[in-house]
Parts: sequence; C-alpha cells; structure tokens
Amino acid sequence: DTAVSQTPKYLVTQMGNDKSIKCEQNLGHDTMYWYKQDSKKFLKIMFSYNNKELIINETVPNRFSPKSPDKAHLNLHINSLELGDSAVYFCASSHNDRGRGAEAFFGQGTRLTVV
Amino acid sequence: TQLLEQSPQFLSIQEGENLTVYCNSSSVFSSLQWYRQEPGEGPVLLVTVVTGGEVKKLKRLTFQFGDARKDSSLHITAAQPGDTGLYLCAGARNDYKLSFGAGTTVTVRA
Repeated sequence: DTAVSQTPKYLVTQMGNDKSIKCEQNLGHDTMYWYKQDSKKFLKIMFSYNNKELIINETVPNRFSPKSPDKAHLNLHINSLELGDSAVYFCASSHNDRGRGAEAFFGQGTRLTVV
Repeated sequence: TQLLEQSPQFLSIQEGENLTVYCNSSSVFSSLQWYRQEPGEGPVLLVTVVTGGEVKKLKRLTFQFGDARKDSSLHITAAQPGDTGLYLCAGARNDYKLSFGAGTTVTVRA
C-alpha cells in the first residue's frame, strides 16, 4: 500500500495553462504539505494544512492554490503556468508530534515541465 | 538564505571507506531529521534526533545532534554502493515546519 501517493508523476504543459496535482495519504496523519524541489535539489516548503486548515503559506505566488477537501487529501492547483514553475513538487504528511517535530512521509513527486 | 548549511555538497568515495556529512545552523532546533533521497523518489526519513548531544546508530550509520541543538552530523562506516543518494538534513522549530539543508550527494563507487 502506498502511504503518500500523488498524481501525475510527470506533467509537461505549455506556458499559460492551468494544471492540478493530486495527493492522498492513508497514514491517518493530520498534517499535509506541498514542497518544491528545484534543479539544485533544494527542498522548500510551500504550504501546510492541518486538519484541512491552512497553517503555513510560504511567500508562494497566488497562482498556486492548495485545496484540502479532507485531512487525507491535499491538492495543488496552479494557474497561468510560467517557465520558472518547472520543478519537482512533493506532497508529504506527518503526525503532530511535539516531541519529534514534523517527521515527514513524502510522495514520489511530480516532475512539472513548463515549455 | 538557508537556515541549515550542509557540507560537503558532493562526496565521492570508494566502497569500504568512511564518510561524514555535516549540517550546521545558527538557529536552535527542537529536533533534527536526516533523510535519504534516491533519483526519481521522494525523501525517506532515516532518523530523528531530539536531545542535545544525542547519538543514534542505524546499522553502519551514526547520527549525532550537537549539544546546543544547532548542528548535526551523519557518519557512514564502510560505505557500500547502496548508500549512494542525496542526504538531506531538516530542522524543526515548531510542530509543522521543516527547514531543509541543500543536501549532500553521496556516490559510493564499487
């Protein structure tokens, strides 16, 4: 059973298009995240939701809009795609464990290429 | 500006050699985690250290958290080709947000 699954794994699209990436976790976690990994492999948090409530929004352009219909799902919609949006996007989830911080379980990633 | 600095950025060694990866910050963390990422996959959690001075061992991997909880190291003994990957440290300052280092790409040659 896949713990954190995201679709699609690859996404190639033209500039100006709108696209969505879906994520689901079956770990029973309360918190879900979207991370962006750039070409230099640097992982940067974009958003975090806890029990469907947005708790972290890290200076991401408002073309990016996360949506959490329930605590097992966190989707990412991107409007008016730009070349600079090309990256690998990772969904992750974690428990809220005050003693151990947010130990994250990651999906396999979605490689987005904007042409 | 990154909160966590990892060094070295790249490391290439022969099978059987030892290696150490460092993760440093001027900030104090409540916990620090190490992940390994293989090509085409997401990062996978290796260990979490919570207490200053803590040392954890995972087979041939030894993780240490600095006394002041600002830095950490990962030491691999007798590295094997299966240890090849991108090693990432991540610090937690509250319950929800992890700050990642830029990663160390480790290549172990057979």
